[in-house]
Amino acid sequence: KAGVTQTPRYLIKTRGQQVTLSCSPISGHRSVSWYQQTPGQGLQFLFEYFSETQRNKGNFPGRFSGRQFSNSRSEMNVSTLELGDSALYLCASSLGGVYNEQFFGPGTRLTVL
Amino acid sequence: AQTVTQSQPEMSVQEAETVTLSCTYDTSESDYYLFWYKQPPSRQMILVIRQEAYKQQNATENRFSVNFQKAAKSFSLKISDSQLGDAAMYFCAYHHKLYGGATNKLIFGTGTLLAVQP
Repeated sequence: KAGVTQTPRYLIKTRGQQVTLSCSPISGHRSVSWYQQTPGQGLQFLFEYFSETQRNKGNFPGRFSGRQFSNSRSEMNVSTLELGDSALYLCASSLGGVYNEQFFGPGTRLTVL
Repeated sequence: AQTVTQSQPEMSVQEAETVTLSCTYDTSESDYYLFWYKQPPSRQMILVIRQEAYKQQNATENRFSVNFQKAAKSFSLKISDSQLGDAAMYFCAYHHKLYGGATNKLIFGTGTLLAVQP
């Protein structure tokens, strides 16, 4: 089975721009979670989607949004980028039951200039 | 709110030796999962081992084992016979077991960077 894929792997944007990141889960997985990883804040949960519905959300401003499509692929969008949004964005997929192992993608490295 | 603390930012171990990484957590819940994840320099996070809170027996996966002390809210990872490939950032993580599968949210510690010396 192919693993979790994330595109693009690297991204450079300037302040005020918006960006869309994509995550393709493992085939058959219905849950996709997103995390932001920075040296200062560590790994922080952004949101989780299950069967096209957001079922949990972290403590991030409304500039961070996401969605999930019927094929379980997920996108996250960050509008009006700030320097502090520079981070590694990881997504993880799982079957989505009471507990199923989560598999992480390689991440998208976003740099905001 | 649940929190996870890893007090060792960096650790070093000689190849073939044993090393223990520490993790403490805080929660008012009684049913949850705890994990150790490994993030090698290539950045892909890999699950190393998991522990279910209601299970008394400590989890073991080959050279990796945990010491789970529920009352003390402590969850340490022991790596035996360390190998060069074990060099990575290790994260301790907590998952609250919500019945009905309501979330897969993980709460991570700040990580421990493990170096393995040849």
